[in-house]
Amino acid sequence: EVQLVESGGGLVQPGGSLRLSCAASGFTFSSYWMSWVRQAPGKGLEWVANIKQDGSEKYYVDSVKGRFTISRDNAKNSLYLQMNSLRAEDTAVYYCARDDRKQQLGYYYYYMDVWGKGTTVTVSS
Amino acid sequence: DIQMTQSPSSLSASVGDRVTITCRASQSISSYLNWYQQKPGKAPKLLIYAASSLQSGVPSRFSGSGSGTDFTLTISSLQPEDFATYYCQQSYSTPPGTFGPGTKVDIK
Repeated sequence: EVQLVESGGGLVQPGGSLRLSCAASGFTFSSYWMSWVRQAPGKGLEWVANIKQDGSEKYYVDSVKGRFTISRDNAKNSLYLQMNSLRAEDTAVYYCARDDRKQQLGYYYYYMDVWGKGTTVTVSS
Repeated sequence: DIQMTQSPSSLSASVGDRVTITCRASQSISSYLNWYQQKPGKAPKLLIYAASSLQSGVPSRFSGSGSGTDFTLTISSLQPEDFATYYCQQSYSTPPGTFGPGTKVDIK
């Protein structure tokens, strides 16, 4: 069964740090880009970051640049999100997701087709 | 960045109704548009990619259409398990793959 399982969430004070993990199983982890997506309480979805198969390319939403770092360990089938200088507005459920693509008529279409159940991060004093 | 809007933000419908949700992009995104379903307390689920391609395992009552800036998700006959929030997402200009604000479908 294809599966993603997040862990590492919790309560942290503003300015603190947290490291999220995502364990992948049931598919060849090293063959896929991977993403983190978050959802603040009662709000919509926000893409946070993604990373190429070999970790050589990483991208971030502007609001987390310089504070969050995405990484992966293909030997351990694991994705990570190191979150530093946390703010109240980072409070959210954090999902990891698999990025996949399909080719149609010579074009590649990208989407997130496998999602974990999420881990909750609360930033509060 | 490309901005996505959805309408309506919420709707009430009955089982068996035909439901249509609209998504609009701030600039042309060709057919680079995905639809996700999210139930309360659950992770999002991919329904449609490339504007109109049904993800494997998704019931055929779901369909997507559109290109350029205007897109629709249609549920041909609403079922009890379809009450959820639906999000569109553009994958034309990534990162970021911007999501729309969501449309909540609840029971009339």
